[in-house]
Amino acid sequence: DVKVTQSSRYLVKRTGEKVFLECVQDMDHENMFWYRQDPGLGLRLIYFSYDVKMKEKGDIPEGYSVSREKKERFSLILESASTNQTSMYLCASITARGQNTGELFFGEGSRLTVL
Amino acid sequence: AQSVSQHNHHVILSEAASLELGCNYSYGGTVNLFWYVQYPGQHLQLLLKYFSGDPLVKGIKGFEAEFIKSKFSFNLRKPSVQWSDTAEYFCAVNAIGRRALTFGSGTRLQVQP
Repeated sequence: DVKVTQSSRYLVKRTGEKVFLECVQDMDHENMFWYRQDPGLGLRLIYFSYDVKMKEKGDIPEGYSVSREKKERFSLILESASTNQTSMYLCASITARGQNTGELFFGEGSRLTVL
Repeated sequence: AQSVSQHNHHVILSEAASLELGCNYSYGGTVNLFWYVQYPGQHLQLLLKYFSGDPLVKGIKGFEAEFIKSKFSFNLRKPSVQWSDTAEYFCAVNAIGRRALTFGSGTRLQVQP
């Protein structure tokens, strides 16, 4: 089974702190994604990566950056956390062959609270 | 840009009732369509998908969805819901050639025993 692991299930940070959210997948998937999930807004795409060191902005990239130094790992970075970034963050992955035709595999999410 | 609308935000049904959740998308070209489900405390998982062919697709746990191109809709249905169907349901669309899925706002389904 594909496993997408998000390192932190729950985090509490203070405004202005730098936050790292880590995601690792074990199926050699080329494509990885970061979404945030908010009640009433569904999932919104922050960033995605289709190869090592490659990244593209999603629909709401402001305030975030990402890093993909290794194929299996995709990190989301909040340079200076703000209260409006309190949310559930979901990582997902899929093979390049599977994109457009297959299913995304999701991690269990990281719930971030910024005080 | 592609977008997805789910008009039912919160649905409450009794067991054995029939279910239909609406999903409309906005994109003029060819799309792939998906329904994902998130059970309480669990990660999102694929319920069913449509790529081409028969517009009526069947998924896991007795769910089905019908793609109506003229209406840009992909509604989810189940003839008789169970308490275990309590979950949040997300419709998603992917335009051919686009790398990422666009999700709707989700519908929270509560099934009462």
